Amino acid sequence: ETGVTQTPRHLVMGMTNKKSLKCEQHLGHNAMYWYKQSAKKPLELMFVYSLEERVENNSVPSRFSPECPNSSHLFLHLHTLQPEDSALYLCASSHAQHESSYNEQFFGPGTRLTVL
Amino acid sequence: QKEVEQNSGPLSVPEGAIASLNCTYSDRGSQSFFWYRQYSGKSPELIMFIYSNGDKEDGRFTAQLNKASQYVSLLIRDSQPSDSATYLCAVSDSNYQLIWGAGTKLIIKP
Repeated sequence: ETGVTQTPRHLVMGMTNKKSLKCEQHLGHNAMYWYKQSAKKPLELMFVYSLEERVENNSVPSRFSPECPNSSHLFLHLHTLQPEDSALYLCASSHAQHESSYNEQFFGPGTRLTVL
Repeated sequence: QKEVEQNSGPLSVPEGAIASLNCTYSDRGSQSFFWYRQYSGKSPELIMFIYSNGDKEDGRFTAQLNKASQYVSLLIRDSQPSDSATYLCAVSDSNYQLIWGAGTKLIIKP
């Protein structure tokens, strides 16, 4: 069991639904990440928050909306998704860049998302 | 485009042998290098990191880094069936973000 938790673990939603993914870290980190993992592809970085400010947004469609209310919690709000958005969504945390040159990331268990 | 390349495999190794996993990267400014293990249906788990040229050993695992040739490798000695997984290589770019390879699937045959 890692120090990063994610809920729900599995989610099935229709294209018109609105849902949210939640991530919580108990490692004392202050940088958090959302990744998308599709079969046979490298991990795709979606969003990065450092000290609760978004520092990276890799051209992610607006149907994905992140929220970071504090350094321990991260949300990904989903609306009007497409079937190709079906994937494993992973949350990770690390020390912020300015605190350490060592930026090992630790992952939560992921949310398996299926869009019908 | 910053890239990290790995052979997708599968790499099949007999139990007890040495498994050798390789990774090349394109960004010469990269400073930190990581190996993650991912079991099927699970999330990536950090197993090794290396920052300096040369070898770093941790139990049965050895990470090797050659910045001049821009490759990093992972050796697993005395391979066990429980080592069967996909191994992800990740490289930190100049902005300290990780660039990921697609992973190598390793199968240890009893």
